Amino acid sequence: NAGVTQTPKFQVLKTGQSMTLQCAQDMNHEYMSWYRQDPGMGLRLIHYSVGAGITDQGEVPNGYNVSRSTTEDFPLRLLSAAPSQTSVYFCASSYSGTYVFFGQGTRLTVV
Amino acid sequence: DAKTTQPPSMDCAEGRAANLPCNHSTISGNEYVYWYRQIHSQGPQYIIHGLKNNETNEMASLIITEDRKSSTLILPHATLRDTAVYYCIVSIQGAQKLVFGQGTRLTINP
Repeated sequence: NAGVTQTPKFQVLKTGQSMTLQCAQDMNHEYMSWYRQDPGMGLRLIHYSVGAGITDQGEVPNGYNVSRSTTEDFPLRLLSAAPSQTSVYFCASSYSGTYVFFGQGTRLTVV
Repeated sequence: DAKTTQPPSMDCAEGRAANLPCNHSTISGNEYVYWYRQIHSQGPQYIIHGLKNNETNEMASLIITEDRKSSTLILPHATLRDTAVYYCIVSIQGAQKLVFGQGTRLTINP
């Protein structure tokens, strides 16, 4: 199993550009989520999904969209990138919420 | 979810036991205590969790006080590879909304 795979690993965007961060898991997990981590801070929840077709907002959802059309994939869309969205983004998945597996992160810089 | 309080940093000598405390005085009866760690800037890694009984696995032990208002993560024989930020989280089992504080930065010294 590859676990939780995030692409790309690094990305530089200009203010106002849009992009999609990809996240895929091959463990048939129901639950998937996106977090962001700013320097020196803990992770904050952006959006999460409890199954295909079901998504909900986390603590910091503004400026981001998600969809869950398949169990395996949970892409995160930045609609119009802003410098405040410069961060490291982590995707996570779990079967029951007990053992949460995290991807290796996408480092995004918005200039 | 209950809030947790952890010391911002700790040091431990290699080969010794590292004891990381966590206060969670407002924990609810159905909330579990979870520990994760983050090495460098990698994705967090699950370590252990418990409800009220002490727990042990191949990575660590978790000691929860009888009143459940605090807990201690024990790494019995710390190695340099255990240098990381350790997060104590309380959450309802099955919840998908893990609330991370700033954690404890543990440094293992040779």
